[in-house]
Amino acid sequence: QVQVVQSGAEVREPGASVKVSCKASGYTFSRYDFSCVRQAPGQGLEWVGWISTSDGKTNYAQKLKGRVTMTTDTSTSTTYMELRSLRSDDTAVYYCVRGGGSTYNGLDVWGQGTTVTVSS
Amino acid sequence: QSVLTQPPSVSGAPGQRVTISCTGSSSNIGAGFNVHWYQQLPGTAPKLLIYGSNNRPSGVPDRFSGSKSGTSASLAITGLQAEDEADYYCQSYDSSLSAVVFGGGTKLTVL
Repeated sequence: QVQVVQSGAEVREPGASVKVSCKASGYTFSRYDFSCVRQAPGQGLEWVGWISTSDGKTNYAQKLKGRVTMTTDTSTSTTYMELRSLRSDDTAVYYCVRGGGSTYNGLDVWGQGTTVTVSS
Repeated sequence: QSVLTQPPSVSGAPGQRVTISCTGSSSNIGAGFNVHWYQQLPGTAPKLLIYGSNNRPSGVPDRFSGSKSGTSASLAITGLQAEDEADYYCQSYDSSLSAVVFGGGTKLTVL
């Protein structure tokens, strides 16, 4: 079946970096963009960025530009999201999601989420 | 402050009909970009509920429907059930921001 499986929970100190992996299966990986959406504790959904799996082009939320990088490895159908210079307000559940941009189909397949905790 | 505005909460009794509004602007919903809706049950990842403003993915009951007009969109739920109690989010694309945008979310309580 179509699914996205994410890497496990991470704990980092302020100023460090974290890299979340998202492995897709059950469909042709390069046919769909991939997005990252985060949710801080008790808060709503916030878009982080998206990547085209066919050509690697990216688009990031303005507030995170310069600190976030998304990459893909088509040989393993895996997308990565790296966030650098972590701050306490980066503490959130990070979701990898199939889809991106103004796609007609929406964000249709969600990973289980990766909890990233930033604390000293 | 979210780009798309939703009411923080709505409620209804079992069997009733409720609607959740999502108000945007001329750079997102009003520009013709698709509106999508997500349901997030407590402690779980969001799930796509409505895509392309008024289409249901396979497996979503027809009690859920979406509509769009001008700079706003709505999600309607008929025959309310206890298991519908969840947070609901609308989402679109904003051309001024070149960004995917979400509403702030609406908590549905089934009385």
